[in-house]
Amino acid sequence: AQSVSQHNHHVILSEAASLELGCNYSYGGTVNLFWYVQYPGQHLQLLLKYFSGDPLVKGIKGFEAEFIKSKFSFNLRKPSVQWSDTAEYFCAVNRPGTYKYIFGTGTRLKVLA
Amino acid sequence: DAMVIQNPRYQVTQFGKPVTLSCSQTLNHNVMYWYQQKSSQAPKLLFHYYDKDFNNEADTPDNFQSRRPNTSFCFLDIRSPGLGDAAMYLCATSSLGASNKETQYFGPGTRLLVL
Repeated sequence: AQSVSQHNHHVILSEAASLELGCNYSYGGTVNLFWYVQYPGQHLQLLLKYFSGDPLVKGIKGFEAEFIKSKFSFNLRKPSVQWSDTAEYFCAVNRPGTYKYIFGTGTRLKVLA
Repeated sequence: DAMVIQNPRYQVTQFGKPVTLSCSQTLNHNVMYWYQQKSSQAPKLLFHYYDKDFNNEADTPDNFQSRRPNTSFCFLDIRSPGLGDAAMYLCATSSLGASNKETQYFGPGTRLLVL
């Protein structure tokens, strides 16, 4: 069965620190990859997505992610976090042409002002 | 611009009293999903509609039902809510087609409280 692993369940950073959140998936075929963010009390919002092409994708709010096929990874990065980035981050994987999206268990990020 | 709309945002019901949550979309997507999300957990897919075809996940309890009367609307019915059904219920849509580049969009969710 497909699975998505997010190894960091809780991350605490100070403002201006760099961020990298790990995401690994288990499916060996072609995949679509996503990062969603959920701010406190709000709904899931799409941060960025990868379908094909350049493995480095840029999303909203200064986030980027790199797809490394050989490592089955799609790590999320931001060079300098802000207090407003405090949220829960979910990685998700979808096999192209199918309905199902597999979510990781999420990483809760707290940024200290 | 609202694309996936859920009503109500908060719902309080009593143990065993049927409740219906609603979702509408302006994206004209052919797939609509219902997820259950409990605190600090990943969204759990309950079922989805591909056009009018209903697809239940194997581990979704019979207590949860859904209706999709047209492309824009989808309802989640909980026939006899238990305390364990208190959660955030998320509606999502996607457009499953030939491009293989589908993105799922979520509504704001309905937080259900069971007393």
